[in-house]
Amino acid sequence: NAGVTQTPKFQVLKTGQSMTLQCAQDMNHEYMSWYRQDPGMGLRLIHYSVGAGITDQGEVPNGYNVSRSTTEDFPLRLLSAAPSQTSVYFCASSYAGQNYGYTFGSGTRLTVV
Amino acid sequence: AQSVTQLDSHVSVSEGTPVLLRCNYSSSYSPSLFWYVQHPNKGLQLLLKYTSAATLVKGINGFEAEFKKSETSFHLTKPSAHMSDAAEYFCVVSADKAAGNKLTFGGGTRVLVKP
Repeated sequence: NAGVTQTPKFQVLKTGQSMTLQCAQDMNHEYMSWYRQDPGMGLRLIHYSVGAGITDQGEVPNGYNVSRSTTEDFPLRLLSAAPSQTSVYFCASSYAGQNYGYTFGSGTRLTVV
Repeated sequence: AQSVTQLDSHVSVSEGTPVLLRCNYSSSYSPSLFWYVQHPNKGLQLLLKYTSAATLVKGINGFEAEFKKSETSFHLTKPSAHMSDAAEYFCVVSADKAAGNKLTFGGGTRVLVKP
């Protein structure tokens, strides 16, 4: 099925560990983004990409890295996990152009202990 | 810069009665506006979008929203609530194509539907 696939769905990390959240889309979307969702705060943009090889920071980028080597994939790396990074993470993709809505993945629930 | 304010964090309605979710926005650009719904432990689903065409926008599952530029509002309504409408709803503004049409989310409105 066409869409945005996120893996893993659940993850528990110890403080200081690193990991990569995977995101892949098969809709040939130019734009991809990572958001985190925390209670009462809606979703906040971490990093985004407007095409392969192009990434930029969003609202809350500290502690996260991204790269976009292909159109399909946009992994999010946690360099040294902290309890403040406990959250639900969503990847989303869209065609270029303001009028297109984003398609969201089903999320990764991350707990840092 | 852009921002979104959802005026109610929680809304409780009885099944079969109207639903109104209020949203105000600000944007330096001519915005596109969206409503997304999130059911418990699920991802986000697009309900409807405004893209500078008709100001009254119809979406899925009987929802509609009206864009009022003078009031900078984009309120979501449904004439008759169903139990399956219990979810969290997000008003979202998208602007600034140079920034990947990055989305700015409101804080969300959680809808409870009573039988």
